[in-house]
Amino acid sequence: EAGVVQSPRYKIIEKKQPVAFWCNPISGHNTLYWYRQNLGQGPELLIRYENEEAVDDSQLPKDRFSAERLKGVDSTLKIQPAELGDSAVYLCASSHRETEAFFGQGTRLTVV
Amino acid sequence: GEDVEQSLFLSVREGDSSVINCTYTDSSSTYLYWYKQEPGAGLQLLTYIFSNMDMKQDQRLTVLLNKKDKHLSLRIADTQTGDSAIYFCAERKSGGSYIPTFGRGTSLIVHP
Repeated sequence: EAGVVQSPRYKIIEKKQPVAFWCNPISGHNTLYWYRQNLGQGPELLIRYENEEAVDDSQLPKDRFSAERLKGVDSTLKIQPAELGDSAVYLCASSHRETEAFFGQGTRLTVV
Repeated sequence: GEDVEQSLFLSVREGDSSVINCTYTDSSSTYLYWYKQEPGAGLQLLTYIFSNMDMKQDQRLTVLLNKKDKHLSLRIADTQTGDSAIYFCAERKSGGSYIPTFGRGTSLIVHP
């Protein structure tokens, strides 16, 4: 069974440019999470979806970050415009039963 | 302070046992998890323990939970170089929804 797939793996952009990340969760998983992991830190939740509904987005900086999960499957996370402080690894995870979440390999974003 | 706290580094010799410790704050946490993150990779769920258990063993891994002290530990027996990674403790807070909350991670270094 394929795991959580994220793309791209790496992205380097200049500040003020837009960037988007894509996540394909494990088939049948209705819960999808986006986390941000800064260097030397643990992952921090940005947003959680139950099917296509965002049920927890209190940590998402809404002035520049947006996310969507059309049809309750794939999801995209967008930053516009990017700032230097947005450099981090963006992790997507999905879960079905409420006991464990499976993570993708992440997208490493570098803003220069 | 952080909700989940871990020591940042642990160095062990190959073949020895490793013990990674974690303290958490929410006494009503229902599940506690250990994740492993290898360089450039996402998080891999190693094991989890339900809060009504004191111990769980899975091959080389032993999880001990002290609810009174809100202390969780992960013991890796016969540590191998392939165990070198960052280990994250995570809790599922009370309230029903599954949102893993992570510590900063413990970097385990295994040397010959």
